[in-house]
Amino acid sequence: DQQVKQNSPSLSVQEGRISILNCDYTNSMFDYFLWYKKYPAEGPTFLISISSIKDKNEDGRFTVFLNKSAKHLSLHIVPSQPGDSAVYFCVSGSQGNLIFGKGTKLSVKP
Amino acid sequence: GAGVSQSPRYKVAKRGQDVALRCDPISGHVSLFWYQQALGQGPEFLTYFQNEAQLDKSGLPSDRFFAERPEGSVSTLKIQRTQQEDSAVYLCASSLALGDTQYFGPGTRLTVL
Repeated sequence: DQQVKQNSPSLSVQEGRISILNCDYTNSMFDYFLWYKKYPAEGPTFLISISSIKDKNEDGRFTVFLNKSAKHLSLHIVPSQPGDSAVYFCVSGSQGNLIFGKGTKLSVKP
Repeated sequence: GAGVSQSPRYKVAKRGQDVALRCDPISGHVSLFWYQQALGQGPEFLTYFQNEAQLDKSGLPSDRFFAERPEGSVSTLKIQRTQQEDSAVYLCASSLALGDTQYFGPGTRLTVL
């Protein structure tokens, strides 16, 4: 059973527009989430995190929103750039080891 | 300093062969993790070390998988009698301490024929 679900395997957006990547989780005990970004042939790299005491965390072009009642989080990238094209993983970090979703492949077209 | 490094980057093994995958964590990082990423999936946790102590091996899929970190630095993941279902990318990550940001290596892609 997937505890962290990313239901969109892929997303394509135009350069300069907003990218919204969604994630749902099943375990209400999860209280810390991260987004990792992965380029081909590289390991995942940390992007941004959020604790359940917050509902929003912003870092430059990247904002993560957390809706605890809906067990849903989303990553917003504004404006999207071609270099943002990668696979994005929604991750629960509540247990020390990381629990990954399946990932969403973002393509940002010039 | 240097990031997490893994070797080899690619490994092809015949079914039944033993393999050893190496991870060099970031210097000074106490925590070390191994993950397995099958095609089209997210990475899945295998095992965790704090220094040389293996504190969690709940994710190891079978007793053919064995990991060690004898001096609290370099770690080796060994797979005995490899099977086709072991084909995956094996990722190593390290962090300063448990709960800190995990930094991943580039992975070893294992293909079992």
